[in-house]
Amino acid sequence: KQEVTQIPAALSVPEGENLVLNCSFTDSAIYNLQWFRQDPGKGLTSLLLIQSSQREQTSGRLNASLDKSSGRSTLYIAASQPGDSATYLCAPPLGAGNMLTFGGGTRLMVKP
Amino acid sequence: DTGVSQNPRHKITKRGQNVTFRCDPISEHNRLYWYRQTLGQGPEFLTYFQNEAQLEKSRLLSDRFSAERPKGSFSTLEIQRTEQGDSAMYLCASSLSGGGNQPQHFGDGTRLSIL
Repeated sequence: KQEVTQIPAALSVPEGENLVLNCSFTDSAIYNLQWFRQDPGKGLTSLLLIQSSQREQTSGRLNASLDKSSGRSTLYIAASQPGDSATYLCAPPLGAGNMLTFGGGTRLMVKP
Repeated sequence: DTGVSQNPRHKITKRGQNVTFRCDPISEHNRLYWYRQTLGQGPEFLTYFQNEAQLEKSRLLSDRFSAERPKGSFSTLEIQRTEQGDSAMYLCASSLSGGGNQPQHFGDGTRLSIL
């Protein structure tokens, strides 16, 4: 069974700050880990997928790292903008079918 | 690339009624997943298909729930005799299979409200 914890649960920052969102998981036998953002009332938008053989993955202002052995992943957001306000979810998979398991997410508010 | 499409977006029904949701995955994706999300929580896995075969079902999927993917393309999720606790967002995702580098792509979900 995979359990996922995300810290902090909520975060409010002024525009322009660099942010670190933390994710920990209990089962390190994973092939990959995916980060998503979710806007209110919407589905999930895939941000990054890190394979277990990688340590980092970058997309624009986002950088995600993965340390399988310690069961941790972090999402770094550079120069935050109000449009980054959303809930961020990390999802390591469970099983050969790659079924995703989720924590409660981090609710981010970036104030102008 | 049209993305994952879910219909309807919202469904309001009385307790005890049956409801059916539809998911159209990204066209070349052979894997299709259903998740359920309640307010303030992360999604929870319900079931997944590879092509038309249903390969995994969560214990959350009681016998009132049934999912199909008859031709390996779209999928339906039916809930019979709905209960208050079924109120949630039902999310569908699709991906390619094979290896550890295939991301799942989600639709916008169907929000179910039980009166």
